[in-house]
Amino acid sequence: EDQVTQSPEALRLQEGESSSLNCSYTVSGLRGLFWYRQDPGKGPEFLFTLYSAGEEKEKERLKATLTKKESFLHITAPKPEDSATYLCAGEGYSTLTFGKGTMLLVSP
Amino acid sequence: DSGVTQTPKHLITATGQRVTLRCSPRSGDLSVYWYQQSLDQGLQFLIQYYNGEERAKGNILERFSAQQFPDLHSELNLSSLELGDSALYFCASSISGTGGEQYFGPGTRLTVT
Repeated sequence: EDQVTQSPEALRLQEGESSSLNCSYTVSGLRGLFWYRQDPGKGPEFLFTLYSAGEEKEKERLKATLTKKESFLHITAPKPEDSATYLCAGEGYSTLTFGKGTMLLVSP
Repeated sequence: DSGVTQTPKHLITATGQRVTLRCSPRSGDLSVYWYQQSLDQGLQFLIQYYNGEERAKGNILERFSAQQFPDLHSELNLSSLELGDSALYFCASSISGTGGEQYFGPGTRLTVT
């Protein structure tokens, strides 16, 4: 059975304090690793797709990286508007398996 | 705005009842996915349709069913509702039949009393 585990469950940062979120995966026939952002009461919003180990993608203050067992979402100098839940998902043979997410709170 | 629409936004109903949730995908997207999200379970994949045909099935209960119509909109039917069915139900769409990049709607919050 495919599994995606995210840590930590919650993370509190001060504005400007950089950190990383972790996503460990066991997905058969991994076709892609995806990151989404979800604001409270809203649908997830697509951020990145990573296809192979060593690949990196960047968008503003976010950078996603991928190894054979893990993916990291690095947040550089975060701002309060980066506060959200970040979801990681692995696509295997059939469909996406989502992790439970990391709830990020950035305080001014 | 993702371009995916869902109705209704909120639904309150009693145990034992049946409800229908509706989803219209982004223009041009052929795949529709349904997810259930609760606080303890996270985002759980229910079912996927691609161009009118069922493509993949996840943790969908027998009391739940879905279909995709020729105009590509989809409906999720939930019957014999239980308290535990209370959750956010999301629809997502994508251009292809594989998981890939999905665009989520705003969700329907279902409360079963």
